[in-house]
Amino acid sequence: SQTIHQWPATLVQPVGSPLSLECTVEGTSNPNLYWYRQAAGRGLQLLFYSVGIGQISSEVPQNLSASRPQDRQFILSSKKLLLSDSGFYLCAWSRLAGGFSDTQYFGPGTRLTVL
Amino acid sequence: KNQVEQSPQSLIILEGKNCTLQCNYTVSPFSNLRWYKQDTGRGPVSLTIMTFSENTKSNGRYTATLDADTKQSSLHITASQLSDSASYICVVTGSQGNLIFGKGTKLSVKP
Repeated sequence: SQTIHQWPATLVQPVGSPLSLECTVEGTSNPNLYWYRQAAGRGLQLLFYSVGIGQISSEVPQNLSASRPQDRQFILSSKKLLLSDSGFYLCAWSRLAGGFSDTQYFGPGTRLTVL
Repeated sequence: KNQVEQSPQSLIILEGKNCTLQCNYTVSPFSNLRWYKQDTGRGPVSLTIMTFSENTKSNGRYTATLDADTKQSSLHITASQLSDSASYICVVTGSQGNLIFGKGTKLSVKP
């Protein structure tokens, strides 16, 4: 069966510090991978998606970046965090063939607080 | 503008009662509509997925309906349980693969 892991589970960082969140998927190959942010009282916002190693598409302009160094590893980074980066970050995967129309399976999330 | 509106924003019901959550969308053209359940502090979990040609889909005590003409969907929960307390998110996929998420309905089931 497929599983998706995210870490850390929670993170408190000062403004201006760097960020690295990691997501890994097990039990599947060539997945589509996604990073979402869920701010308090707001819906999920798609930040990045990837259809393969080194292939990253950005949905919104921001000071975050994403990388996919391995087939089942997706990393969300920032060089300098802003207060507005606080939120709940979710990684998700779907089957490559299904594209966006296929069901997405979400990880447990990372709660980021920027102070 | 593509939008997904969910109502109510929050809902409190007693254990054992039924409830219905609403989702109205303006996404056009439309590919499919999904309902997710998100426990507090966890990632969403898919409950149902319906294409434009389907008008009902069940998953245990959860039944989703879709009226593609009026662009409305509902999620009906039967005989609610304490574990149903969560946020329920409606997600519409446009024909170009774009995902539009609703803000969710927060359901609290009380004993």
